[in-house]
Amino acid sequence: EAQVTQNPRYLITVTGKKLTVTCSQNMNHEYMSWYRQDPGLGLRQIYYSMNVEVTDKGDVPEGYKVSRKEKRNFPLILESPSPNQTSLYFCASSQIPWESDSPLHFGNGTRLTVT
Amino acid sequence: TQLLEQSPQFLSIQEGENLTVYCNSSSVFSSLQWYRQEPGEGPVLLVTVVTGGEVKKLKRLTFQFGDARKDSSLHITAAQPGDTGLYLCAGNNFNKFYFGSGTKLNVKP
Repeated sequence: EAQVTQNPRYLITVTGKKLTVTCSQNMNHEYMSWYRQDPGLGLRQIYYSMNVEVTDKGDVPEGYKVSRKEKRNFPLILESPSPNQTSLYFCASSQIPWESDSPLHFGNGTRLTVT
Repeated sequence: TQLLEQSPQFLSIQEGENLTVYCNSSSVFSSLQWYRQEPGEGPVLLVTVVTGGEVKKLKRLTFQFGDARKDSSLHITAAQPGDTGLYLCAGNNFNKFYFGSGTKLNVKP
């Protein structure tokens, strides 16, 4: 089954403790991206990657890092999490996202709470 | 500041009614997408519109892209309880996506 898998689904941590949220896709997609979803603000793009070793900032990259060492994986790293990073995070992938027959496929989300 | 403004934010209607959701921006986009999101899940694509003035139909859903490629609308005819969910528009400029804040639709039987 074609899917984007994120882990973990839920994560509670403390301020300053480094964490990684993993994302993996099995569709051989070139494009992958991370979003955070906050009430009243919709989804905001954090980082995206067009291909292996090619990453770029989205709208809200501060406090986050990503890497793309393999095509299928695109982990999101919070080196020193803070409470304002408490949010619902989504990973998505696509072959060519701006074309009409190439949708963004989203994972089921990771709910992160930083205390 | 939201690049894409969606309205209304909330909509509660009876089964069988029609409704329209609007997605407006001052920016031009290469394409515009509409997604539907259920609680506990990621958004799922409904449609992508690419050409200014384009109209696409998906059963009871009609999507329109403005002539200037800055705005879009989603019209649902004879809404059903199964249409309940969060509807999101997203403007795309090649690699970057900008989402509206969403319209939460509740269709009562």
